[in-house]
Amino acid sequence: DTEVTQTPKHLVMGMTNKKSLKCEQHMGHRAMYWYKQKAKKPPELMFVYSYEKLSINESVPSRFSPECPNSSLLNLHLHALQPEDSALYLCASSPQPDRANTEAFFGQGTRLTVV
Amino acid sequence: GESVGLHLPTLSVQEGDNSIINCAYSNSASDYFIWYKQESGKGPQFIIDIRSNMDKRQGQRVTVLLNKTVKHLSLQIAATQPGDSAVYFCAEKNRYSTLTFGKGTMLLVSP
Repeated sequence: DTEVTQTPKHLVMGMTNKKSLKCEQHMGHRAMYWYKQKAKKPPELMFVYSYEKLSINESVPSRFSPECPNSSLLNLHLHALQPEDSALYLCASSPQPDRANTEAFFGQGTRLTVV
Repeated sequence: GESVGLHLPTLSVQEGDNSIINCAYSNSASDYFIWYKQESGKGPQFIIDIRSNMDKRQGQRVTVLLNKTVKHLSLQIAATQPGDSAVYFCAEKNRYSTLTFGKGTMLLVSP
């Protein structure tokens, strides 16, 4: 299994809603990531979990809350989002965060629209 | 030909042509680079990588060239096909294997 699976594929939520994005991988990877991608722009890093511990938070607003329940799962909890948070949210994983020559595998993303 | 639009540079080629996509990177200490292909509505997909101790690496129909002197990467696609139409990103690998992506280039292949 060489896939990173994200659910849901599409999500529309109101500014007062609470929702969660989910990501799963069964490749035994020990690093998992959330990236945000706006239209016609490159992905930008939000969070990194390394061995299930939060290692990097790229100054992301607290309305985004990541969670890594175990080495295969990564969640992104959303609360009180703004319309400008509408974007493609990408999950990725890589074998070991400190190993050279390793690519990151990306999921298909969740297309989020905040209304 | 190549054009720079408001947001995303675009390269338009005919099927069967060779394509060259360029990328400038910023961190001279970067030691690992990756090219990703992203089709509409999908996540980035690995194409080819290169370490900083190499200046060229070849894959199937793709070649990556690295010029560390001017901090420049290029991706060459031989015999471009309509299925190659996508946005192509170069990326530098950083700590914790995070990636810093370049601006991206849209490749449009006409039959």
